[in-house]
Order: sequence, then structure tokens, then C-alpha cells
Amino acid sequence: GQQVMQIPQYQHVQEGEDFTTYCNSSTTLSNIQWYKQRPGGHPVFLIQLVKSGEVKKQKRLTFQFGEAKKNSSLHITATQTTDVGTYFCRHSGYALNFGKGTSLLVTP
Amino acid sequence: NAGVTQTPKFQVLKTGQSMTLQCAQDMNHNSMYWYRQDPGMGLRLIYYSASEGTTDKGEVPNGYNVSRLNKREFSLRLESAAPSQTSVYFCASSDPGQGLEKLFFGSGTQLSVL
Repeated sequence: GQQVMQIPQYQHVQEGEDFTTYCNSSTTLSNIQWYKQRPGGHPVFLIQLVKSGEVKKQKRLTFQFGEAKKNSSLHITATQTTDVGTYFCRHSGYALNFGKGTSLLVTP
Repeated sequence: NAGVTQTPKFQVLKTGQSMTLQCAQDMNHNSMYWYRQDPGMGLRLIYYSASEGTTDKGEVPNGYNVSRLNKREFSLRLESAAPSQTSVYFCASSDPGQGLEKLFFGSGTQLSVL
């Protein structure tokens, strides 16, 4: 299966700072999905990207899919305490498909 | 709609005991999954069922069995629990036929094996 690697594993920011997590693969991906898991909760789907170079925005969140379709990023502008949680990327369609996640801690 | 329902929410077992985690979805999804989540390890796939009547091993199937009872229900059984199976277990479902294989997760089962 195609493994996706996520970095960083942890990120601690002050409220108002920006945050970015990266998802990388050694092979071309047909798509990439992003999920958010709040502490004590379950993963919730955020978005799917399928096109080379695709950029999608959801309020303060910007998702990008690389031109070569081997990497993706999630950028949060001006973090808020509600952004706390773990962000996972996933390549759908394969059994080994979740990244290990980036845990974001936001300090007020 | 309830979405994906898992039971129980919490369970404590002694080593060697058996138990079954139940999962049901009411979204008419074809595919169902069982994941375990451990600190620093992310979500690891235990078993999945692409459609009713089929099951396949995921990344970490040892020590587990599954049953796709019908289209709605997918259960996970631990025959002889071990401390290494202490984890949070998530059931999920999806409908790949829609062109967007979006996973819907249950609220999880926190299992401790002593």
C-alpha cells in the first residue's frame, strides 16, 4: 500500500500564529483527504483533493495538493483555541492509508 | 440519522478474556472498517469489509476476528485479550461508489486489558 508520512508530529503555537502540517508520499497519489480529531473525539472528514496543484479553502484553513500529487499541506491562518486537535491526512483506496497525524496545541 | 454507532464506549478486560465490539451504520454504506488508535501511532487499520460478505486484513489483524453480519453491522472480536490490545477502537464506514470515499467514524471504544 501507499504510505503517507506526516510532519511535524507535534506543533505548539500561540493563538493567532499560523500553522502548517505536511503530508508526503514517495509515489503519486490519486487523491488526499484531511481529517480532524478533537481531543477525546473521533476523526471528522474535512476535505478531499484530487487534482494536481489543487487549492481549497475553508475559512482560515487552506489545503493544497502538490503539482506532482506526491504531497499535500494544510495551513491554518491565525490559529484559535478551537483548532486544537490532531490533523490526519489519508490516501483513500488503500488499506495502509492514514498518516500518523500532527497534533496541534494552541495556547491562548 | 445516528450515523455510525459503536458499543460499548468503555470496557475493561482481564488478560485472556474475550469480547466483541459492535458497530452499526444506518447510511447504507458498502464499506466498513475497524481501526485502532494508540498514542503516536495514528490510526491503524485492523480489518475492513469492502462489501457485505467480504472481509480483508488490514495492517494489524493479529489477535482479532471480524464478522460482517449484514450490510449494517460489522463486529470485531478479541478471542483472548492481551495487554497489547489496550487501545481506542474506531469503527468507520464509507460508500466508495459516490466517488468520494469519505470515512464516517463512530465515537470509539476505549478498551483496557489488565
